[in-house]
Amino acid sequence: GDSVTQMEGPVTLSEEAFLTINCTYTATGYPSLFWYVQYPGEGLQLLLKATKADDKGSNKGFEATYRKETTSFHLEKGSVQVSDSAVYFCALGTDTDKLIFGTGTRLQVFP
Amino acid sequence: EAQVTQNPRYLITVTGKKLTVTCSQNMNHEYMSWYRQDPGLGLRQIYYSMNVEVTDKGDVPEGYKVSRKEKRNFPLILESPSPNQTSLYFCASSPWTSGASYNEQFFGPGTRLTVL
Repeated sequence: GDSVTQMEGPVTLSEEAFLTINCTYTATGYPSLFWYVQYPGEGLQLLLKATKADDKGSNKGFEATYRKETTSFHLEKGSVQVSDSAVYFCALGTDTDKLIFGTGTRLQVFP
Repeated sequence: EAQVTQNPRYLITVTGKKLTVTCSQNMNHEYMSWYRQDPGLGLRQIYYSMNVEVTDKGDVPEGYKVSRKEKRNFPLILESPSPNQTSLYFCASSPWTSGASYNEQFFGPGTRLTVL
């Protein structure tokens, strides 16, 4: 069945460091791919998405490219801030609107 | 403000005492869903609904019930809660489009349930 695998955390970085959180997927058909972010004590909110191969999603300095050949959707940011500290979830969207989530990666950014 | 609301936000109860977690959305979305979030497991879908009076099981439906009598509301019912249902629960909604995989889901703030 469809699944998402993302790197385990926590990821600990200093402010202004480069961030990569790896995400790979297994799916039949043509899924959409999402990154959701969960700030402490809050629900999930969409960070970015890509709906077809080679699409790049971007928002708030974060980027991810839908790579069909490597079945990946890695999240990157060139310079992280303390305010980026959160849990990041990679997710796959199916044609029944179901979201299949990875296990989440906690990012901690220190000044 | 467009939002998904859940109540209560925190609940501590005892085994076997029936409870309901309410979920409401004001975006006129067709699709609503319940997830539970557990450490190391991410979010797993419990039940979903594509429209009023249409509900279906997700990946972990055992021990839960739902109903969709109105478009905006999608309560989650635990008839006889057990300690293994201690978790963080999220309700979500989206403007479902048949055959599409790209719809963003909007999440509520979560309900932290502890069953003793």
